[in-house]
Amino acid sequence: GAVVSQHPSWVICKSGTSVKIECRSLDFQATTMFWYRQFPKQSLMLMATSNEGSKATYEQGVEKDKFLINHASLTLSTLTVTSAHPEDSSFYICSARDQARTDTQYFGPGTRLTVL
Amino acid sequence: GQQLNQSPQSMFIQEGEDVSMNCTSSSIFNTWLWYKQDPGEGPVLLIALYKAGELTSNGRLTAQFGITRKDSFLNISASIPSDVGIYFCAGQATNFGNEKLTFGTGTRLTIIP
Repeated sequence: GAVVSQHPSWVICKSGTSVKIECRSLDFQATTMFWYRQFPKQSLMLMATSNEGSKATYEQGVEKDKFLINHASLTLSTLTVTSAHPEDSSFYICSARDQARTDTQYFGPGTRLTVL
Repeated sequence: GQQLNQSPQSMFIQEGEDVSMNCTSSSIFNTWLWYKQDPGEGPVLLIALYKAGELTSNGRLTAQFGITRKDSFLNISASIPSDVGIYFCAGQATNFGNEKLTFGTGTRLTIIP
């Protein structure tokens, strides 16, 4: 139980294009999901908290117009990196809160974004 | 953003050795979590701690929630090759799952053949 998936697992795009990353909770409903970014050999840094049916809460320094988050259902949150640039290349990881059972956050496998 | 300090930053050990790592914070947390991350994967939850002083085991892993609520420790006994990876602690201000996590800087574990 408590499986979180991400799609795609990796993506390469040209500078200036937009990329959408999906995060799904497969066997539970998640009112809250989180998006993290991890640069090589570094820790996970929280980008934003995604709440189903409402606007996401962004961490300080994260541009909400660049990183669009939509949490339209209890099992799906999407992160869209708009007008991507090489410095946006990173490992993006989501987590979902399993409120009904353990009330713990479970992480997806991550999405590797490379912007050329 | 804030990060928790983990030590050591990296460890090189032989198979069968025991491992100890810790995580410290300047502020109080009411939940401590320990995760393991393999290369190119997301973190996997190992142990969750919810009360100060709590000692919890998961197989060969044992973690403790510090009495001051500003630190936590993880021990791995009789290490095996699949223990290789990066271990992260994470703190949460409350016991509620919708609270954001603050991650540690990570401890990279390598097993020397």
